[in-house]
Amino acid sequence: DIQMTQSPASLSASLGETVSIECLASEDIYNNLAWYQQKPGKSPQLLIYYASSLQDGVPSRFSGSGSGTQYSLKINSLESEDAATYFCLQDSEYPWTFGGGTKLELK
Amino acid sequence: QVQLKESGPGLVQPSRTLSLTCTVSGFSLTSYGVSWVRQPPGKGLEWIAAIWSGGSTDYNSALKSRLSISRDTSKSQVLLKMNSLQTEDTAMYFCARYYYSGDYYVMDAWGQGASVTVSS
Repeated sequence: DIQMTQSPASLSASLGETVSIECLASEDIYNNLAWYQQKPGKSPQLLIYYASSLQDGVPSRFSGSGSGTQYSLKINSLESEDAATYFCLQDSEYPWTFGGGTKLELK
Repeated sequence: QVQLKESGPGLVQPSRTLSLTCTVSGFSLTSYGVSWVRQPPGKGLEWIAAIWSGGSTDYNSALKSRLSISRDTSKSQVLLKMNSLQTEDTAMYFCARYYYSGDYYVMDAWGQGASVTVSS
């Protein structure tokens, strides 16, 4: 199975700042990487698919990049509604596997 | 409007079988696949199984011997069965729609989740 190592596990930032979250795959996943946002008590919401494609309706301050085994999610100009946990998902090979999650707290 | 709704028993005794249903609306199961994903309390996400639009299936290898996924297209339902339940199977179980573009997958819509507690 492909292992997804996500970092950091938690992050604290101020409104208006820019943050990045990383996911490292144990092997090449050929850009088959998605990012999700999950708020407490809610289901995950798709932000980015195929490493860098922005899902319809998602604000443009979210962006994804990367290739091979290394991928990142960048959030520009943080807003209060961005406080959440973020997960990466590799859908290159079954079983699909998620990163451990990054909890983003707004100061 | 795309919707997925999970339903299940809530509480299951250890060693028994869990049956979950995902009822979908706003799309056809013959055009989209459905995956099941679970999340233990306070923990991360684990992909469990998927059924493709054509009806073929895939399972998490760690759970495969205990799982069965199927569908009833006439009822727009996807069914997940997991046997030999243990306390570690306590989790929120989500179903999610996905499609394949030809180059990549997109898992774009999720249900609200069904809480399952394994306890005697």
